[in-house]
Amino acid sequence: NAGVTQTPKFQVLKTGQSMTLQCAQDMNHNSMYWYRQDPGMGLRLIYYSASEGTTDKGEVPNGYNVSRLNKREFSLRLESAAPSQTSVYFCASSRVGASSGNTIYFGEGSWLTVV
Amino acid sequence: GQQVMQIPQYQHVQEGEDFTTYCNSSTTLSNIQWYKQRPGGHPVFLIQLVKSGEVKKQKRLTFQFGEAKKNSSLHITATQTTDVGTYFCAGGNTDKLIFGTGTRLQVFP
Repeated sequence: NAGVTQTPKFQVLKTGQSMTLQCAQDMNHNSMYWYRQDPGMGLRLIYYSASEGTTDKGEVPNGYNVSRLNKREFSLRLESAAPSQTSVYFCASSRVGASSGNTIYFGEGSWLTVV
Repeated sequence: GQQVMQIPQYQHVQEGEDFTTYCNSSTTLSNIQWYKQRPGGHPVFLIQLVKSGEVKKQKRLTFQFGEAKKNSSLHITATQTTDVGTYFCAGGNTDKLIFGTGTRLQVFP
């Protein structure tokens, strides 16, 4: 049981390049999330998907787009990468919405550097 | 928007000393969860509190949820080197969890 799997684990981009972070979960969870983590800033929610077919903005959505491809997969796209997007990105999932008291399970993280 | 603050941001303790981190939300929460992240790792769920005034214990860890459901605390008794990491609270009142800024704990042997 892999849990939440995200790829790539490490990536270096040049300013202006685009890329997609892939995420898949095998726990049959309804809700999925993308967070970014910066030193001293904790975990900030970028986008979330409460269920298949829906997506909503989180705290810091600017510069990102997401796609909930199916129940298992939730991708995060940077259309034109900027140095301010250098961060560690975590994909996560929960059975239903987090406010319902459901545990969030995190992937191992993707380290992204934009130069 | 909803904000969740944690203090302190960083704490060093000697092994065997106690440690406490505090979490405060700008809005009333339906529940609060606590996560631990080891250096270089990902956050891992520790516990969830739902009821006003709730107290839960896990071995040396004691978690409290405030009466007004706007604050919480995590207390570790007699810290060990295995307690090293960053502790996050996360508050929910919609479909999403808002994470606190975290408290990084360093334990010296």
